[in-house]
Amino acid sequence: SQQGEEDPQALSIQEGENATMNCSYKTSINNLQWYRQNSGRGLVHLILIRSNEREKHSGRLRVTLDTSKKSSSLLITASRAADTASYFCATAIIQGAQKLVFGQGTRLTINP
Amino acid sequence: GAGVSQSPSNKVTEKGKDVELRCDPISGHTALYWYRQSLGQGLEFLIYFQGNSAPDKSGLPSDRFSAERTGGSVSTLTIQRTQQEDSAVYLCASSFLSRGLSTDTQYFGPGTRLTVL
Repeated sequence: SQQGEEDPQALSIQEGENATMNCSYKTSINNLQWYRQNSGRGLVHLILIRSNEREKHSGRLRVTLDTSKKSSSLLITASRAADTASYFCATAIIQGAQKLVFGQGTRLTINP
Repeated sequence: GAGVSQSPSNKVTEKGKDVELRCDPISGHTALYWYRQSLGQGLEFLIYFQGNSAPDKSGLPSDRFSAERTGGSVSTLTIQRTQQEDSAVYLCASSFLSRGLSTDTQYFGPGTRLTVL
């Protein structure tokens, strides 16, 4: 079963605007990761935030994690056409299993 | 250095045939993972290897699916008697586990698109 629920399922904005995507999950986690996927193929790792962290930055990316609400958000600032892709959150659950449990993803379209 | 590679990139097969999908992880990565992404679905975990052993096979959908890893490197995912519902993109990832239970960053390959006619 899916651990993560992403919101919105699709987002279309103008180039230069900020894009915010949200992810909620159900069980306790060790860390949460965000990935990008272009054209339905390989995933590119964007950022990892651990359960004891609240916010993390990487370039134009900002990720927050609220373990009390079991939710995370990914903010992409000053969006570019090249940011058009699907974005997935993935949680690594505690219990020794090393698998990532992915959300359904948000399809982001940046209009020039 | 090279990333994770997978072969073939595309595979079309007939229902009932067996297929083998290959994954070459990043050199030195101890952990290897297989995921499946079906049309309109998210990514689902299939199996995970630590070295040559598979502590977690919980995601394999049926006994037609099996995987092995030899020499702590290359892995093969085998699907026997393929069915149309097996059509999906099969993604492999690898990571270097430096701590006991934590999951470090997983690096994904480009995937194999399997189509079962």
